[in-house]
Amino acid sequence: NAGVTQTPKFRILKIGQSMTLQCTQDMNHNYMYWYRQDPGMGLKLIYYSVGAGITDKGEVPNGYNVSRSTTEDFPLRLELAAPSQTSVYFCASTLGSIMGEQYFGPGTRLTVT
Amino acid sequence: GENVEQHPSTLSVQEGDSAVIKCTYSDSASNYFPWYKQELGKRPQLIIDIRSNVGEKKDQRIAVTLNKTAKHFSLHITETQPEDSAVYFCAAGDGNTGFQKLVFGTGTRLLVSP
Repeated sequence: NAGVTQTPKFRILKIGQSMTLQCTQDMNHNYMYWYRQDPGMGLKLIYYSVGAGITDKGEVPNGYNVSRSTTEDFPLRLELAAPSQTSVYFCASTLGSIMGEQYFGPGTRLTVT
Repeated sequence: GENVEQHPSTLSVQEGDSAVIKCTYSDSASNYFPWYKQELGKRPQLIIDIRSNVGEKKDQRIAVTLNKTAKHFSLHITETQPEDSAVYFCAAGDGNTGFQKLVFGTGTRLLVSP
């Protein structure tokens, strides 16, 4: 299994541009999450999904959108990028509702200038 | 909602010493407390977790203790080695949602000097 994969690894955006961060998992996990990690800070939850077609906001959803059309994929869309969105973005997944390990992707480092 | 505080923010120890990282949480409904290790430039990885029906759990050199009454939990690393150097994050499972949603602490940078 490849686990959780993310693309791209790095990206530089200009203010006002848009992009989609891709996340795919091959573990047949129901739950998927998007986090952002600012320098010296912990992980903040942006959006999460409990299954295909079901998404909900986390702690810091403003400026982002998500969709979940399949179990495997959970893309994160940035519209009208702002410097405040400069961060490292991690996608994660876990099997089910019982608390257990979240498996993280390798991250996407995004800079907005 | 849940709030997790983590201390210290940085911790420097000599190889062979013990290291202790402490976290407090606010929501008494939280019932799952994992610890993640993140090496520089890498993804977070689970190293140990504990559930609210257990007071202590050990795995070789690492252990976690939980005090539900005081709403705090701690990570203990014994006989530290240079490869333990990393950022460690605690988290609390938000028990109000009925499914797994974690709130993370701000992290502790551990530096183990040879």
